[in-house]
Amino acid sequence: NAGVMQNPRHLVRRRGQEARLRCSPMKGHSHVYWYRQLPEEGLKFMVYLQKENIIDESGMPKERFSAEFPKEGPSILRIQQVVRGDSAAYFCASSPNQGARQNNEQFFGPGTRLTVL
Amino acid sequence: DAKTTQPNSMESNEEEPVHLPCNHSTISGTDYIHWYRQLPSQGPEYVIHGLTSNVNNRMASLAIAEDRKSSTLILHRATLRDAAVYYCILNNDMRFGAGTRLTVKP
Repeated sequence: NAGVMQNPRHLVRRRGQEARLRCSPMKGHSHVYWYRQLPEEGLKFMVYLQKENIIDESGMPKERFSAEFPKEGPSILRIQQVVRGDSAAYFCASSPNQGARQNNEQFFGPGTRLTVL
Repeated sequence: DAKTTQPNSMESNEEEPVHLPCNHSTISGTDYIHWYRQLPSQGPEYVIHGLTSNVNNRMASLAIAEDRKSSTLILHRATLRDAAVYYCILNNDMRFGAGTRLTVKP
């Protein structure tokens, strides 16, 4: 059973471009979480999605950021018009149900490291 | 802000036990305490979780205070591969703080 997959592992964008980060959850998992980690800081929750639904987006910046988890295919975190402050590692995690909220562990991917020039 | 507080860093000697503390004074009755760790350049991995009773698994032990306002992750024999940032979180919040950076000295 393959683990959580994220691609690309490294992404370089110039200011103003768009960044699309993909997360394929573990097989059988229908819940996805996205986190952002700035250098030397802890993880910050961004958004929690279930297939075709956003359950909790309280950690998402109000502008330029969006996330989706379609019925088919990976979850996508999209950042429009990137700025240097968006440079960070972005991790996704998946769980078979509500993850830690139902006391099941979350399985994290290896992350995408975004660099904005 | 995270609902848990942890020391920024701790050091241990190889093959000695390590006790990593976590305070969660505002914990609610339905909050489970979860621990994750993040090795360098990797995503976090689950370590252990518990509610009221102490818990043991192959990776670690979790000791939970009687009033549940604090807990301690116990690594019985630290190895160099245990060097990581350890996060203590509450399941209904899922906000990771800065965690504790554990350094293991040979």
